[in-house]
Amino acid sequence: NAGVTQTPKFQVLKTGQSMTLQCAQDMNHNSMYWYRQDPGMGLRLIYYSASEGTTDKGEVPNGYNVSRLNKREFSLRLESAAPSQTSVYFCATQSPVLYTGELFFGEGSRLTVL
Amino acid sequence: GDSVTQMEGPVTLSEEAFLTINCTYTATGYPSLFWYVQYPGEGLQLLLKATKADDKGSNKGFEATYRKETTSFHLEKGSVQVSDSAVYFCALSEGAGNQFYFGTGTSLTVIP
Repeated sequence: NAGVTQTPKFQVLKTGQSMTLQCAQDMNHNSMYWYRQDPGMGLRLIYYSASEGTTDKGEVPNGYNVSRLNKREFSLRLESAAPSQTSVYFCATQSPVLYTGELFFGEGSRLTVL
Repeated sequence: GDSVTQMEGPVTLSEEAFLTINCTYTATGYPSLFWYVQYPGEGLQLLLKATKADDKGSNKGFEATYRKETTSFHLEKGSVQVSDSAVYFCALSEGAGNQFYFGTGTSLTVIP
């Protein structure tokens, strides 16, 4: 049982390049999230998807796009990477218990933009 | 808006010492409260949670009590081990979309 799988785990980009972070879950959860983690700032929500076919902006959506391809997959795209997007990115799913649902996280994708 | 404030780190303790990591929150409604733990190189995983006032969450020797009167959810453990070295995050969740709000994390190092 893999849970939440993120690829790639590490990536180095040059400013202006594009890339997509992939996330897949086998937990049959409806809600999926993308967070970024920066030193001293905790986790900040980039985008979330309450169900297949829906996405909503979080706290820091600028510079990112997302696609909820199906119930299992939720991808995050950087169209033109900037050094400010150097971070660790986490995908998460949420168990369906309203308001008290636990978040399940992937292992993270470490992105460096030069 | 909602927010979580937790104790600044890093915290360094000797094995078998008592641990307290403070967490206070601001919320407009009645949130659920969580502690997550992140071991080096891994994602976050749930440590414990409490869903209403006066509830006590517990797991692996860690405890936290949901105190509505002081808007706090402090994490405690009576005797820490080297294997408890990690970053600990306090979080709350309430409202439409089940959004989570995380504190900035507290790094704990336990030395033998």
